[in-house]
Amino acid sequence: GAGVSQSPRYKVAKRGQDVALRCDPISGHVSLFWYQQALGQGPEFLTYFQNEAQLDKSGLPSDRFFAERPEGSVSTLKIQRTQQEDSAVYLCASSKTGRETQYFGPGTRLLVL
Amino acid sequence: KNEVEQSPQNLTAQEGEFITINCSYSVGISALHWLQQHPGGGIVSLFMLSSGKKKHGRLIATINIQEKHSSLHITASHPRDSAVYICAVCSGHYGGATNKLIFGTGTLLAVQP
Repeated sequence: GAGVSQSPRYKVAKRGQDVALRCDPISGHVSLFWYQQALGQGPEFLTYFQNEAQLDKSGLPSDRFFAERPEGSVSTLKIQRTQQEDSAVYLCASSKTGRETQYFGPGTRLLVL
Repeated sequence: KNEVEQSPQNLTAQEGEFITINCSYSVGISALHWLQQHPGGGIVSLFMLSSGKKKHGRLIATINIQEKHSSLHITASHPRDSAVYICAVCSGHYGGATNKLIFGTGTLLAVQP
């Protein structure tokens, strides 16, 4: 079956621009996670959804970052007024429940100039 | 001090060698994951374990909960095993609201023919 998909795969933004990153989880997966991976680093947690409820957003680095999953399936991570330090790979993962194996998407590589 | 530490950071091996990557963590966990990431590629889950030992093909993962330590072993290593191997722990309590992963910085493995 289809895995987790993310779009766009690559995004170049000018500093100050708003961006929206999309994640399509595996159908039926209740849990959805967003992670940020800076170059040469391990991923870091951003936020977690169980169905449409955002249960943990403790990893969002600033109020410029906003995530939603309004119907409990597709999720969007929005970054407002992008800064150069936002340049990273943004990874989405889903799992049947939060306690099972997480399946990762290919990531969106964001470059802010 | 990072909550999840891996060693070594870089490892070069000759084809056929037995490889061990270590992971130590300092937080309470419900499960530990071993993940594989190829350069420019997505993340693939290799193992999720909460006790004992798991084996899949040439890969073996062990965990010692009392010592807060896990190891990933690769037997008869092959150049196609070259990748970054990441240890991640699930910090969520069983049944709790947060099941985010906390990642180590990864071990870059290069297996030479």
